[in-house]
Amino acid sequence: QVHLVQSGGEVKKPGASVKVSCKASGYSFTTYGISWVRQAPGQGLEWVGWISAYNGKTNYAQRLQGRVTMTTDISTSTAYMEVRSLRPDDTAMYYCARGRWLQPEDYWGQGTLVTVSS
Amino acid sequence: EILLTQSPVTLSLSPGETATLSCRASQNINRYLAWFQQKPGQAPRLLIYDVSSRATGIPVRFSGSSGSETDFTLTITSLEPEDFAIYYCQQRSTWPVTFGQGTRLEIK
Repeated sequence: QVHLVQSGGEVKKPGASVKVSCKASGYSFTTYGISWVRQAPGQGLEWVGWISAYNGKTNYAQRLQGRVTMTTDISTSTAYMEVRSLRPDDTAMYYCARGRWLQPEDYWGQGTLVTVSS
Repeated sequence: EILLTQSPVTLSLSPGETATLSCRASQNINRYLAWFQQKPGQAPRLLIYDVSSRATGIPVRFSGSSGSETDFTLTITSLEPEDFAIYYCQQRSTWPVTFGQGTRLEIK
């Protein structure tokens, strides 16, 4: 069955970078993309971006444009999201999820809590 | 950016009743509307995609519909105790993908 397993929680200082991983199994990795969605404490869902595991095409939310980079390693079926110049309001649970261009996310990782604090 | 507005913010009902949740888009989203359920401490779960198609394993008491190209409804009949959660709508017709602010379904 499909599984997405994310890396563990991180605590970072403002201005630092964080890289979260998402290892997929149970399906053909390159036939789907990976979305990243975050959720600040007590808040709703915010789409961060999407990457095609087939050709590496990306699309990022305007709010994080320039600070976020998504990549994939098809040899290990792993997706990565890096956020640079972290700010306290980047504190959130970050989820990866399997999805396609016009198909919503049907399998989700367990989430990675990123805390940004001085 | 397409804005999705969900109503009500909170819905208080009893088990066995029917819940009706609404989602209004700021423009036509070509039926690329999905609904997710989220329980505390858990990742979201896909319920409905393309307005009215149930995701794998979703009970038939969950159904989606549209009243127009911008107005959408999630209906949950015969509420079970495990249905009390937060529900989000999502559009992916146009980048960026956007979510509604959520409707909290609570036990009355």
